[in-house]
Amino acid sequence: DSGVTQTPKHLITATGQRVTLRCSPRSGDLSVYWYQQSLDQGLQFLIQYYNGEERAKGNILERFSAQQFPDLHSELNLSSLELGDSALYFCASSIGTSGRLTDTQYFGPGTRLTVL
Amino acid sequence: AQKITQTQPGMFVQEKEAVTLDCTYDTSDQSYGLFWYKQPSSGEMIFLIYQGSYDEQNATEGRYSLNFQKARKSANLVISASQLGDSAMYFCAMREEDTGRRALTFGSGTRLQVQP
Repeated sequence: DSGVTQTPKHLITATGQRVTLRCSPRSGDLSVYWYQQSLDQGLQFLIQYYNGEERAKGNILERFSAQQFPDLHSELNLSSLELGDSALYFCASSIGTSGRLTDTQYFGPGTRLTVL
Repeated sequence: AQKITQTQPGMFVQEKEAVTLDCTYDTSDQSYGLFWYKQPSSGEMIFLIYQGSYDEQNATEGRYSLNFQKARKSANLVISASQLGDSAMYFCAMREEDTGRRALTFGSGTRLQVQP
């Protein structure tokens, strides 16, 4: 158990809908990262938050957004869902200390999203 | 160009044998970290081992060791005394510190199957 929790574990929805994925980082971790794992694109970085502020963006679509709350949990919002958004979405957390190479990211169990 | 290349889509190994999973990387940063993660069929991403670009010794964690050859830009994972539970996907990943990109860039993975 990495200490990172994600809910829900599975999500099945229809095209055009909106969903919210939730992540709670490990105790003491300030950074939260979201990744998408799909068969055709592999594991891709979406977005990072550090202590409530957006820190970096990767290949995140405009239909997707995220935020990190004062209690450090994070939510990833996916809207106007398309079939191609079906994937495993991971949240990872780390202490987030800048300049510290050994800032290991620990992954949650993931949320498997299926868009029908 | 691919930043992380894993050239072995699949590998087989006999139980109790050692196996090497290849990973080459491409970066112009002087400061970077290399990580290996294991993804069993259940889907979670499990951190295995880390190597920093300035580390002079190869990293080891139990049965896992990282064969780091900086000049060749390779960071191969060696699993000694393979066990049936080692059957999984293995991902090599890099974080580049100089550019401030703290998210992980992943390779395409290697599926390891341990045979009894």
